[in-house]
Amino acid sequence: DQQVKQNSPSLSVQEGRISILNCDYTNSMFDYFLWYKKYPAEGPTFLISISSIKDKNEDGRFTVFLNKSAKHLSLHIVPSQPGDSAVYFCAAKGNQGGKLIFGQGTELSVKP
Amino acid sequence: EAGVAQSPRYKIIEKRQSVAFWCNPISGHATLYWYQQILGQGPKLLIQFQNNGVVDDSQLPKDRFSAERLKGVDSTLKIQPAKLEDSAVYLCASSPMRGRDGYTFGSGTRLTVV
Repeated sequence: DQQVKQNSPSLSVQEGRISILNCDYTNSMFDYFLWYKKYPAEGPTFLISISSIKDKNEDGRFTVFLNKSAKHLSLHIVPSQPGDSAVYFCAAKGNQGGKLIFGQGTELSVKP
Repeated sequence: EAGVAQSPRYKIIEKRQSVAFWCNPISGHATLYWYQQILGQGPKLLIQFQNNGVVDDSQLPKDRFSAERLKGVDSTLKIQPAKLEDSAVYLCASSPMRGRDGYTFGSGTRLTVV
């Protein structure tokens, strides 16, 4: 049972344009959502998060939007840079314990 | 602060052999996680420790996998005997406490079972 889904395995964007990565979840008990970025041969690194009491969180070029009614969140990167090329994982957790449930990941390629 | 240390970085073994991975979390982090990431999939939690006690091992294949965290610091994850489908990256992560924060991951151990 895949509770967190990233339906796009890959995304290619031109440098300077917007990258939009999507994530859907099924468990309404999730109340905290995170995005991680992973380069090859490295562990995932935390990028940005959002609590379910908010619908938007912004940090520099990165913005996460949460639509609770649709059980959908998205990560916007503006402007995209070649260094943003990586695999992005969406993750979610409930209010008990620290376990994160991850999506399958989306590989972003930003072309110069 | 130093990050989460894992060793070895790479390991190739034959099926039915045994293998062990080691993790040293960030100093002071009470919670430690082992995740398995199969190629093309997201990380999947195998086991979660709070200090040296197990909080969640519901997805750990206990017939072949074992893990321990002695003295609430370092941890080892063992597979015995290994199967072909165990080929994956094994990621260790730590966090200061159970709760809202994200984790810090190590670089992982890439296991290939042939």
